[in-house]
Amino acid sequence: SQQGEEDPQALSIQEGENATMNCSYKTSINNLQWYRQNSGRGLVHLILIRSNEREKHSGRLRVTLDTSKKSSSLLITASRAADTASYFCATDGVDSNYQLIWGAGTKLIIKP
Amino acid sequence: GAGVSQSPSNKVTEKGKDVELRCDPISGHTALYWYRQSLGQGLEFLIYFQGNSAPDKSGLPSDRFSAERTGGSVSTLTIQRTQQEDSAVYLCASSTGEQETQYFGPGTRLLVL
Repeated sequence: SQQGEEDPQALSIQEGENATMNCSYKTSINNLQWYRQNSGRGLVHLILIRSNEREKHSGRLRVTLDTSKKSSSLLITASRAADTASYFCATDGVDSNYQLIWGAGTKLIIKP
Repeated sequence: GAGVSQSPSNKVTEKGKDVELRCDPISGHTALYWYRQSLGQGLEFLIYFQGNSAPDKSGLPSDRFSAERTGGSVSTLTIQRTQQEDSAVYLCASSTGEQETQYFGPGTRLLVL
């Protein structure tokens, strides 16, 4: 079953703008991960944030985690055309040990 | 190797035929996962291998699906008597252990006619 739910389902912005995607989940987690997928293939790991962390940065990416609200956000600053992809959050639940539970993803389109 | 590899990259088969999908994980990774992704959907967990432990097959959708991992490295996912609803991208991932980053292969796109 899917635990993570990304919001919005689709997002279209102009190049240079910031893009924010949200993820909500249902159960307690060990960590939450964000992945990018281009052209329906090739999942690429972006960031892993653990349950005791609130914010992490990686280049133009900023991830926040609010365990009280069971939600996370992924911010991409100064977007580029190459950022066009689908973005997925995946949660490693406390009770699941190893299974990542995936949302359906946010399709991000960066218009040049 | 440098990353997770999968073969074939694309497979077209006729309904009722058996198919085998292969995954070569990153060397030294003890955990290996198979997922399935239907068009426009998120990933669906299929099966998990960790070291020499018995695999967790709880995600396999039917008894037509089976997987093996030989020598703790290469894994093969077998689908018997394929059905059209089996059409999807099958993704393999490996990691150094539980609760760690999973590294994905490029996937095998399966089309059952």
